[in-house]
Amino acid sequence: GENVEQHPSTLSVQEGDSAVIKCTYSDSASNYFPWYKQELGKRPQLIIDIRSNVGEKKDQRIAVTLNKTAKHFSLHITETQPEDSAVYFCAAKETAGNKLTFGGGTRVLVKP
Amino acid sequence: EAGVTQSPTHLIKTRGQQATLRCSPISGHTSVYWYQQALGLGLQFLLWYDEGEERNRGNFPPRFSGRQFPNYSSELNVNALELEDSALYLCASSLASGNQPQHFGDGTRLSIL
Repeated sequence: GENVEQHPSTLSVQEGDSAVIKCTYSDSASNYFPWYKQELGKRPQLIIDIRSNVGEKKDQRIAVTLNKTAKHFSLHITETQPEDSAVYFCAAKETAGNKLTFGGGTRVLVKP
Repeated sequence: EAGVTQSPTHLIKTRGQQATLRCSPISGHTSVYWYQQALGLGLQFLLWYDEGEERNRGNFPPRFSGRQFPNYSSELNVNALELEDSALYLCASSLASGNQPQHFGDGTRLSIL
């Protein structure tokens, strides 16, 4: 089955700096890669996703890149703000079964 | 538009009891997913229901089961509760088929005493 590894587990950045979170996946058949943000005590919220036929996608300060050959994808947050502080999860979806396999999460702290 | 709703918010049980958790998907969504999020850990896939049928199951014992009703709402049942079942149980829904985004509810926090 699919295995997703996420690094780093914690990330502390200064407000205004960029944050990068990296994930690798094992199943080359996976074709959909969402990212979720989970604030303390709240639901995971989908912030961006990318499909396997696309190499990069951007939405305001958030961007995701996908390298299918290397089987890794990354989340980039530019101009970080204190409200970006949360746990971020990457996930990969297999072609069949609709199952999302999640990475272990990255706790991001943006220091003002 | 209402999001995914789950009930109850909190549930306290003792070992050996049975728990029932409920989920209502976003209107128009036919697929419902259940995930377990143990404290400090990531999300683990439990079950996927679509059009009333169980379509996929994660690596959990048979005492974790569920169903989906004709209105697409879903129940997760956990029998013979064990201490390690204490976790946040999250339900998500999506449009059927393809790479459709899964949207989560607030979860039910299940505590086993």
